[in-house]
Amino acid sequence: GENVEQHPSTLSVQEGDSAVIKCTYSDSASNYFPWYKQELGKRPQLIIDIRSNVGEKKDQRIAVTLNKTAKHFSLHITETQPEDSAVYFCAASNRGKSTFGDGTTLTVKP
Amino acid sequence: AAGVIQSPRHLIKEKRETATLKCYPIPRHDTVYWYQQGPGQDPQFLISFYEKMQSDKGSIPDRFSAQQFSDYHSELNMSSLELGDSALYFCASSLRPSTDTQYFGPGTRLTVL
Repeated sequence: GENVEQHPSTLSVQEGDSAVIKCTYSDSASNYFPWYKQELGKRPQLIIDIRSNVGEKKDQRIAVTLNKTAKHFSLHITETQPEDSAVYFCAASNRGKSTFGDGTTLTVKP
Repeated sequence: AAGVIQSPRHLIKEKRETATLKCYPIPRHDTVYWYQQGPGQDPQFLISFYEKMQSDKGSIPDRFSAQQFSDYHSELNMSSLELGDSALYFCASSLRPSTDTQYFGPGTRLTVL
């Protein structure tokens, strides 16, 4: 089955700096790669996603890149703000069956 | 806009009891997914349904069963509950199971004592 590895497990940045979270996946059949932000006790919220036919996608301060050959994808958050502090999960999906990474706890210090 | 509805939001059960969790997908969504998330863990895929048929199966214990009804709502039935079943259970829905976005419900927090 699919295996998703996510790094780092914790990330602390100063407000205004950039944050980068990286994920690798094992199943070449995976074709949809969402990123979720989750606050304690709340539901995962989709912040950006990318499909296998696209290499990069950007939405304001958030961008995602995908390298299908190397089977890795990354989340980039620029101009971080304290409210960006949360746990971020990447996922790799095949026909809707999603495998999540272990999560990255992002702390943005004011 | 209507979102995914889950009920109950909180549930407390004793060991060996049974529990039923309900999920109402976004209108016109025909695909439902169930996830289990333990404390400090990532969501683990349990099972999914498309057009009332099971479409995929993940790490769902044999003590659990689920189904999707004619109105597309889904129920997760959990029997012989164990302490380790205590977790947040999320339901998500999408328009179809391929590459469409999954919208998560607020979750049901199950506590087994």
